[in-house]
Amino acid sequence: QKEVEQDPGPLSVPEGAIVSLNCTYSNSAFQYFMWYRQYSRKGPELLMYTYSSGNKEDGRFTAQVDKSSKYISLFIRDSQPSDSATYLCAMYSNDYKLSFGAGTTVTVRA
Amino acid sequence: DGGITQSPKYLFRKEGQNVTLSCEQNLNHDAMYWYRQDPGQGLRLIYYSQIVNDFQKGDIAEGYSVSREKKESFPLTVTSAQKNPTAFYLCASSRQGSGYTFGSGTRLTVV
Repeated sequence: QKEVEQDPGPLSVPEGAIVSLNCTYSNSAFQYFMWYRQYSRKGPELLMYTYSSGNKEDGRFTAQVDKSSKYISLFIRDSQPSDSATYLCAMYSNDYKLSFGAGTTVTVRA
Repeated sequence: DGGITQSPKYLFRKEGQNVTLSCEQNLNHDAMYWYRQDPGQGLRLIYYSQIVNDFQKGDIAEGYSVSREKKESFPLTVTSAQKNPTAFYLCASSRQGSGYTFGSGTRLTVV
């Protein structure tokens, strides 16, 4: 079993829809949780960074962490064609070594 | 602007050849990392370094080597012992309590 599981998709939604992405993990020591966006042939770009359970909102993006269920989510409201990318969840414990999900490819149709 | 610079963007390697990928950061981050990305497999950790002159193997270190002589620089050498080196290589850096910052990557192809 992988440490971090993420549905690879692909996910296709119409413009304006809410995009829902999620990851589950098995290591209860993970404390820091991130979501990255990666465009084709580019490096990942940090979208959201959260520590411990709860919600964090930044513009159209909301990240949720439920440590009791070992489950994290990212919601994108009012999705735009420019949101089409691969989204990677990532997390680490005190050793600061990131563990990644495999990534979910999202396409927002105009 | 602060960031991470990887070079070259594209690299071609002949069988049996060693090649070195460059990674430089001006973010004053202590920790630096090398990841390999293959389609459908996500990112896998090759090596990481938390301070100058010290580094540790990641999950897939075989066939790779690194050095960390300066805080700003963390070059990766892909040796001839790496049997399947064709991949997208990503360098990252971080400071304690923050997310990682990634470079734009180097695409290595064996010819």
